[in-house]
Amino acid sequence: EIVLTQSPGTLSLSPGERATLSCRASHSVSTTYLAWYQQKPGQAPRLLIYGASSRATGIPDRFSGSGSGTDFTLTISRLEPEDFAVYYCQQYGSSPYSFGQGTKLEIK
Amino acid sequence: QVQLQESGPGLVKPSETLSLTCTVSGGSISSYYWTWIRQPPGKGLEWIGYIYYSGSTNYNPSLQSRVTISVDRSKNQFSLQLSSVTAADTAVYYCARRFVSGDPKVGYYYYMDVWGKGTTVIVS
Repeated sequence: EIVLTQSPGTLSLSPGERATLSCRASHSVSTTYLAWYQQKPGQAPRLLIYGASSRATGIPDRFSGSGSGTDFTLTISRLEPEDFAVYYCQQYGSSPYSFGQGTKLEIK
Repeated sequence: QVQLQESGPGLVKPSETLSLTCTVSGGSISSYYWTWIRQPPGKGLEWIGYIYYSGSTNYNPSLQSRVTISVDRSKNQFSLQLSSVTAADTAVYYCARRFVSGDPKVGYYYYMDVWGKGTTVIVS
């Protein structure tokens, strides 16, 4: 089973700042099988990034993904008020298709 | 556009079977994989399993002995049954579409592109 570890658990930043979220896998994951989701309180998760670096339809270009192997990163270049949420990475390379535990991005 | 809607009892007694249905609207259930995910209160996401429209399934080993996912193409629905529930099964349950894109040269991308709003199930 592939375990995904996200860091930090909580990230406190101000609007306009840059956010860097990490997702580390216990075993190598193909980039085509790594996705990022955003979840706001009381809402379902929303797909942000697939294939480690491809933005989903309608996702602003301030969101970008990178990485390969066991280390992946989600970067938000300039935080907008609506970006404060919880972010999850997920791997679809090996069943069970695990999620990271999430990074909460909160307003400083 | 495709929309998903979960339905089912919001309260289930311990040791009984949790049953939920996801209705697909705005598109066909055919040619896709359909997934169940859950989220205990205040916790992260857990992948439960998926079913292909043809009926083949893949379950999380941690739940495999208790989970059944089925599909009804005539109703454009798929369902989740989780038996012998305990308080630990209390969660928001989401259904989602697993999408596959790409080609043999680039590779195939797997991700969940459409989600239902979720339904809360309390075991008590």
